[in-house]
Amino acid sequence: QKEVEQDPGPLSVPEGAIVSLNCTYSNSAFQYFMWYRQYSRKGPELLMYTYSSGNKEDGRFTAQVDKSSKYISLFIRDSQPSDSATYLCAMKTSGSRLTFGEGTQLTVNP
Amino acid sequence: DVKVTQSSRYLVKRTGEKVFLECVQDMDHENMFWYRQDPGLGLRLIYFSYDVKMKEKGDIPEGYSVSREKKERFSLILESASTNQTSMYLCASSLVGAYNEQFFGPGTRLTVL
Repeated sequence: QKEVEQDPGPLSVPEGAIVSLNCTYSNSAFQYFMWYRQYSRKGPELLMYTYSSGNKEDGRFTAQVDKSSKYISLFIRDSQPSDSATYLCAMKTSGSRLTFGEGTQLTVNP
Repeated sequence: DVKVTQSSRYLVKRTGEKVFLECVQDMDHENMFWYRQDPGLGLRLIYFSYDVKMKEKGDIPEGYSVSREKKERFSLILESASTNQTSMYLCASSLVGAYNEQFFGPGTRLTVL
């Protein structure tokens, strides 16, 4: 069983929709949780970074962590075609190594 | 801006060839990483270096080696390339510390024929 599970999609939504992306994990030692965005033919770039359980908001993006359920989410409000990308969840303990989910491919249709 | 560059965007090699993938970062980061990315498997860590000449195996080190002679440069070596090493290879770097963002290069698409 993978340490981090993420539905690979693909997910296709109309412009303006609310998008929900999710990951579950099994390692209770994970303390830091990230979402990376990867455009086609590019490397991943950090989108959101959270440490504790709860919500963190940045513009149209909200990251949610529920450590008790070992579940993290990324919500995108008022989705735009420019949000079309692969979204990767990642997490780690106190060390430097990240464990990634498989990535969810999102397409936002105009 | 942090910049991580990789020597090639696309590379085609033959089975049995020795392959070198180079990565350079310009922000004096201590940590450097090599991943491969495959459909259905996501990003998997091959090797990690936390200092010059220091390295640590990742989840899938078999068939690979690495070299870090200078802080800014981290090389991935395929001693004898095989078709199952056809993949997207991504290099990343970060500072040391718990709250350390990894910055990625654009990737090298390697095809082994």
